[in-house]
Amino acid sequence: AQSVSQHNHHVILSEAASLELGCNYSYGGTVNLFWYVQYPGQHLQLLLKYFSGDPLVKGIKGFEAEFIKSKFSFNLRKPSVQWSDTAEYFCAVMSPGSGGYQKVTFGIGTKLQVIP
Amino acid sequence: ETGVTQSPTHLIKTRGQQVTLRCSSQSGHNTVSWYQQALGQGPQFIFQYYREEENGRGNFPPRFSGLQFPNYSSELNVNALELDDSALYLCASSFSPWTGAINQPQHFGDGTRLSIL
Repeated sequence: AQSVSQHNHHVILSEAASLELGCNYSYGGTVNLFWYVQYPGQHLQLLLKYFSGDPLVKGIKGFEAEFIKSKFSFNLRKPSVQWSDTAEYFCAVMSPGSGGYQKVTFGIGTKLQVIP
Repeated sequence: ETGVTQSPTHLIKTRGQQVTLRCSSQSGHNTVSWYQQALGQGPQFIFQYYREEENGRGNFPPRFSGLQFPNYSSELNVNALELDDSALYLCASSFSPWTGAINQPQHFGDGTRLSIL
């Protein structure tokens, strides 16, 4: 069965610190990978996505993620976090479901708290 | 501002009751997925509708059912509510050029917070 693991459930950083959130998935076939962010009181928003091509993808607000196929990983990074990055971050994997649907599996989420 | 709208925002029900949640998909989208997000968890896939037909379902019992209408809006119905059904219910829409297309990101609504007493 497809699964997504996010290793850090709660991360606390000071402003300007670097961020790396881990995400590993289990699925042997073709997948598309996403990071979503949920700011306090807001809906899930797409941060970045990987479909194919360059495994290093850049998203909004200075975030990037690297797809390493051999490690089944899609870690999220940001060189210097800001207080406004305080949010919950979800890694998600989309693969073809039996019967032809977009099967999307989410990780448990990582709560990032940035201290000014 | 998201193009996916959900109603109601909050809902309180008692065990055994039935509930209907509604979702208007983003303009141009033909696929709607529903998710359940319990406290402290990631969204769990309930089912997906593509062009008015259910084309995928997660590990949820049959008392979770849905509909998609010709304008691609959707409903989630839950019968015989249980305490564990208390959660945030999320609707996400996307455009699929063909069934099962996996290269289209989903856009989420704000969700409906359902509390079961």
